[in-house]
Amino acid sequence: DAKTTQPTSMDCAEGRAANLPCNHSTISGNEYVYWYRQIHSQGPQYIIHGLKNNETNEMASLIITEDRKSSTLILPHATLRDTAVYYCIVRVANRDDKIIFGKGTRLHILP
Amino acid sequence: EPEVTQTPSHQVTQMGQEVILRCVPISNHLYFYWYRQILGQKVEFLVSFYNNEISEKSEIFDDQFSVERPDGSNFTLKIRSTKLEDSAMYFCASHRGFNEQFFGPGTRLTVL
Repeated sequence: DAKTTQPTSMDCAEGRAANLPCNHSTISGNEYVYWYRQIHSQGPQYIIHGLKNNETNEMASLIITEDRKSSTLILPHATLRDTAVYYCIVRVANRDDKIIFGKGTRLHILP
Repeated sequence: EPEVTQTPSHQVTQMGQEVILRCVPISNHLYFYWYRQILGQKVEFLVSFYNNEISEKSEIFDDQFSVERPDGSNFTLKIRSTKLEDSAMYFCASHRGFNEQFFGPGTRLTVL
C-alpha cells in the first residue's frame, strides 16, 4: 500500500504557483520522496525526488520538512499542460524496486 | 531525448485469445517493468525483469502472464488467454539501475 497521503484534488490558476502537499509520516531514514505525474491517458512521468534537502530542477521544486514527515511539490508557474494526477511516492532508491502508486492528487489548472 | 516506446497503442481482442504487448526500453537501461491501470483505478505493478529473469511479480501476474526479452531491444508481455478483467492500460517502464523509472505511453487493451 502507498505510504503517503495526498489531497484528492486541487485547483490552481494558470500562471500561479501550484503547491501540492504530501504527508509521509512513517518514512524511513533510507527512503526518498519521489514525485511523478500522469497526464490523461499517458504514462507516468518522473518529476523530481529528494532525500532530505530541498531540490529543484527545470520542472519543479521539492520542499521536504526537517522531520521528513511531509513535503510539498511546487510548480512555479503552472500552465494548462500541467493538468494531471500527481503522485507522491516514498521508496528506497534500490536497483529494481517497483513503484507503488497511490491515488495521487488531481490538479486542475484553471485558465 | 531517448524514450520508452510501446506497440500497439490500442489492441482489441476476443476473450480467450492470446495477446502480446511490445515495448522497446531505453537502450542502456537494465531493469524493465510492466504496470497496468484499469480505467479509473491506480497504476498497479505487475512484474520486474533484470538479467533475463523475473525479479519480482505481483499477485496479478499469474500463470496467464509471461514476459520475455527475445532480443537486445524488445521487452514483451504475453497474456495467454485474455479475460474481460484484463482490459486496461498496460505501461512498460525501464531504468538504468538507480533513480527514476521512465514509462512508455501505454497500450490500451480491450477484451471483448
